[in-house]
Amino acid sequence: DAKTTQPPSMDCAEGRAANLPCNHSTISGNEYVYWYRQIHSQGPQYIIHGLKNNETNEMASLIITEDRKSSTLILPHATLRDTAVYYCIVHSGGSNYKLTFGKGTLLTVNP
Amino acid sequence: DAGVTQSPTHLIKTRGQQVTLRCSPKSGHDTVSWYQQALGQGPQFIFQYYEEEERQRGNFPDRFSGHQFPNYSSELNVNALLLGDSALYLCASSRIQGASGGYTFGSGTRLTVV
Repeated sequence: DAKTTQPPSMDCAEGRAANLPCNHSTISGNEYVYWYRQIHSQGPQYIIHGLKNNETNEMASLIITEDRKSSTLILPHATLRDTAVYYCIVHSGGSNYKLTFGKGTLLTVNP
Repeated sequence: DAGVTQSPTHLIKTRGQQVTLRCSPKSGHDTVSWYQQALGQGPQFIFQYYEEEERQRGNFPDRFSGHQFPNYSSELNVNALLLGDSALYLCASSRIQGASGGYTFGSGTRLTVV
């Protein structure tokens, strides 16, 4: 799976949008971009994934650039409960079942 | 709908001992993966089980072994424990087509080796 690069930490004010970037310049055509988050002392939680089109669900929006070399996870109205480590993962599926986690981005939402 | 259940939540073992961790997947899920997460690091893939067989393994020694039962639950066994095995062990479940959706993780078992 392609390697991802994320900033180690970000801050966001409560109620504002949080935009978390991820670079994956070596992504292949069949690889998806997945986002998970991990709140302290819990297991990772699936947020959203996409291949090349922008995606939105009840938790977040995923914007993937046209060349697919980077993406942005958007939390439209961040709350204190969104404070967590956010992981961007490139995953091909098929016969490769493992998720390769980096160190992620620690998002701190401030009151 | 219960998610992924792991037991025990915390465990303290002595170096050289053996440990067994347990996982019950989310209802409707048939694959189980295990991950090790050291402090300050992202989770690292140990292996995945489907149809009671290990179908992919990460870069972990043979001291780490597993099993999946007919009801899809799973066990992770670690023999000859080392201090470096202290970590949070996470179980994740999915349907066979894992790439089409997300994995559901449990809250983990915190293993401390002294």
